[in-house]
Order: sequence, then C-alpha cells, then structure tokens
Amino acid sequence: GIQVEQSPPDLILQEGANSTLRCNFSDSVNNLQWFHQNPWGQLINLFYIPSGTKQNGRLSATTVATERYSLLYISSSQTTDSGVYFCAALTGGGNKLTFGTGTQLKVEL
Amino acid sequence: DVKVTQSSRYLVKRTGEKVFLECVQDMDHENMFWYRQDPGLGLRLIYFSYDVKMKEKGDIPEGYSVSREKKERFSLILESASTNQTSMYLCASSFWGEGRGYTFGSGTRLTVV
Repeated sequence: GIQVEQSPPDLILQEGANSTLRCNFSDSVNNLQWFHQNPWGQLINLFYIPSGTKQNGRLSATTVATERYSLLYISSSQTTDSGVYFCAALTGGGNKLTFGTGTQLKVEL
Repeated sequence: DVKVTQSSRYLVKRTGEKVFLECVQDMDHENMFWYRQDPGLGLRLIYFSYDVKMKEKGDIPEGYSVSREKKERFSLILESASTNQTSMYLCASSFWGEGRGYTFGSGTRLTVV
C-alpha cells in the first residue's frame, strides 16, 4: 500500500514564528488531507488538497501531486496551534485514508 | 452540529475480558472506520465498513472484530483483551468515494491491565 512520511517528527516554535511541515507519499493519490489533533485528542480536518494550493487564515497547504509531496504552512504561530499534525492519503478507488506518523508541534510563549 | 460519538472517553479492562467500543455518527455517512493511535506509529487502520453488515480488514485486524448492524453505528470488539491492545482508539466516518467528509470521534483511551 501507499507509504506516507512526515517531517519533522517534532518541532518547537516561539509564538509568532512561521513553519513548514512536509508530507511525502509513495504513490499517486486521489485525495490528500491534513488534520490537526489538539492536546485533548480531537482530530480536525484542516485541508482536503489532492493538488494545488489552499489557504485558511494563517494556515495554507500546497500539494504537488506529480512530485508526490504536500506542504503545510503555519504563519504567525500561536499556542493554540500546538498538537499533532497528520497528513493522510487515499489512492485508487478506495475509501480509506492512510496516515503518516505525524509532526508534534509545540508553540511556546 | 454533525458529529461522531464514541461511547467512552476512558476505559480500563482486565486481560481476557471481552471489550466493546461503540461509535455512532449522525451524518448519514456510508463509510465508518476504526483506527488505533500509538506514539510514533500514527494512526493505523483496524477495520472499516462501507455499508451495513459489510466489513473489510485494515492493516492491523488481528485480535479485533467489528459489527455494523445499522448505518449509523459501528462497533469494535476485542474478543479477549490483552495488554498490547492498550491504546487510543479513534472512530471516523466519511462519505463514499475519495474520503470526503472524514470526521473523527474524540477517541477512547483503553487501558488493559
């Protein structure tokens, strides 16, 4: 099956800093999503982005499907951005997402 | 507000017990999923279902079974709990096709002692 790799595994930022999280996937995808898991464990979908660029407030994401990677940008980070960020991919005609191992982000004052 | 509800937030069970984890969604989604989350391993798919009474194995089905008798409800069953099944269990649901509308429950942290 498809392999999904994320980097870096851990990241510590000062509030106000910018960051880029990377997701590499081993096969062509029909669907690429980014999720944020807050410190209480709830996973929230951030972007559905099989290709191109999308922005939502301080967050944006870009997927370059031909080169099999996606990037999540966080600008002017806030302590509420802390948590784990997952990317997940779906291939072929299936319905199940395969998740990466996540990037643990901590934003400090 | 649409949502996926898991019956328990925390659960402690003894080795050898039969354990039921329940998940209910109110979005009329066709697909439902059970994942487990362990540090450093991300989310790994245990089982999923794309229709009532239908199920398919995910990546780590050993030691688990599932039941989907109604569209909105998907149950994960640990036939004989073991300590290596101590984990966070996450239920999700989505529309049929391309994973749209993927929505997660808040998780059940299961400890087997």
